[in-house]
Amino acid sequence: GESVGLHLPTLSVQEGDNSIINCAYSNSASDYFIWYKQESGKGPQFIIDIRSNMDKRQGQRVTVLLNKTVKHLSLQIAATQPGDSAVYFCAESKGNQFYFGTGTSLTVIP
Amino acid sequence: DTEVTQTPKHLVMGMTNKKSLKCEQHMGHRAMYWYKQKAKKPPELMFVYSYEKLSINESVPSRFSPECPNSSLLNLHLHALQPEDSALYLCASSLGLAGGPGRETQYFGPGTRLLVL
Repeated sequence: GESVGLHLPTLSVQEGDNSIINCAYSNSASDYFIWYKQESGKGPQFIIDIRSNMDKRQGQRVTVLLNKTVKHLSLQIAATQPGDSAVYFCAESKGNQFYFGTGTSLTVIP
Repeated sequence: DTEVTQTPKHLVMGMTNKKSLKCEQHMGHRAMYWYKQKAKKPPELMFVYSYEKLSINESVPSRFSPECPNSSLLNLHLHALQPEDSALYLCASSLGLAGGPGRETQYFGPGTRLLVL
């Protein structure tokens, strides 16, 4: 299978600070990338996506950056809140192939 | 309606039991997926249905049998499971498999937490 991995398995941030979660992918042919948030006991929740013809996309308090040169994806969360505490997965897609990364557990310290 | 629902939420079964997991969506999505997720691990793809036909089977043991009765429903029939099959089983759906912006974005249900004794 393809390798979609995260640099840091855990991340702790102070409430109000910005968070950056990183992801490396290995398939240069992947053309679609998604970030999911999974809270304890729940299914993954779509946060934001980006296509390979873009390098940045912004949502509400979240920004995804894509660097195709080094096959790197990041999720930036502005003004992190306690409700942002969860596991974050990146996923890559090419056609009907869809692969999740290993996940980063984000803990927000009040 | 932007929701994928799954029943039951929890299931405990013995190794000789037969049970089924159910998934439903009313978003008009034509692709549906089953994933298995172990604790602290990412979801692992099991099956993909596209237009009610099995598109991908990721070498899943035959004790797991998927079924797609119509475009809104997806079942996973379980028989003679092993304790190592205990996991969170997630269903997801997407507009399609590919071919246009957002078509392959998958939306997940809350999962069924399965315990095999």
